[in-house]
Amino acid sequence: QKEVEQDPGPLSVPEGAIVSLNCTYSNSAFQYFMWYRQYSRKGPELLMYTYSSGNKEDGRFTAQVDKSSKYISLFIRDSQPSDSATYLCAMSRGTNDYKLSFGAGTTVTVRA
Amino acid sequence: NAGVTQTPKFQVLKTGQSMTLQCAQDMNHNSMYWYRQDPGMGLRLIYYSASEGTTDKGEVPNGYNVSRLNKREFSLRLESAAPSQTSVYFCASSSPGQGANQPQHFGDGTRLSIL
Repeated sequence: QKEVEQDPGPLSVPEGAIVSLNCTYSNSAFQYFMWYRQYSRKGPELLMYTYSSGNKEDGRFTAQVDKSSKYISLFIRDSQPSDSATYLCAMSRGTNDYKLSFGAGTTVTVRA
Repeated sequence: NAGVTQTPKFQVLKTGQSMTLQCAQDMNHNSMYWYRQDPGMGLRLIYYSASEGTTDKGEVPNGYNVSRLNKREFSLRLESAAPSQTSVYFCASSSPGQGANQPQHFGDGTRLSIL
């Protein structure tokens, strides 16, 4: 069983829709949770970062962490064609452990 | 801003050949990483270097060696390439610790095919 599970999709939505992405994990030691966005033929770039449980909002993006359920989510409101990318969740154990465990990534297409 | 630069961008090798993937960062980061990305598997850590002069194995180190040449450069070597090493390889760098202002910065990858 993988340490981090993420549905690879693909996910296709019309422009303006809400995109909902999620990951589950098995290691309760994870404390830092991240979402990376990866455009085709490019490297991943950090999109959102959350420490421990709770919500974080940045513009059209909202990240949620539920440590009790070992479940994290990313919501994209008012999705745009430019949001079409692969979204990877990642997590790590702590400030002295900078190794990241990644999900497989979910490919999202926003149709104009 | 160059960030993390990887060379080459594409490479085709024959089984048994050797090659070195190069990575350089200009952000004065202490930590550097090599990942491979395969369909359905996500990014898997091959080796990392917490600081200049140190290297450690990640999740999938077999068949690879690394060299932290200096603070800027971290190379990945395949001594005897195998078809199972066909993948996209990413180099990344970061400052120590975790935080929104200390993410891992990735290069654009090297696409490696081994026949």
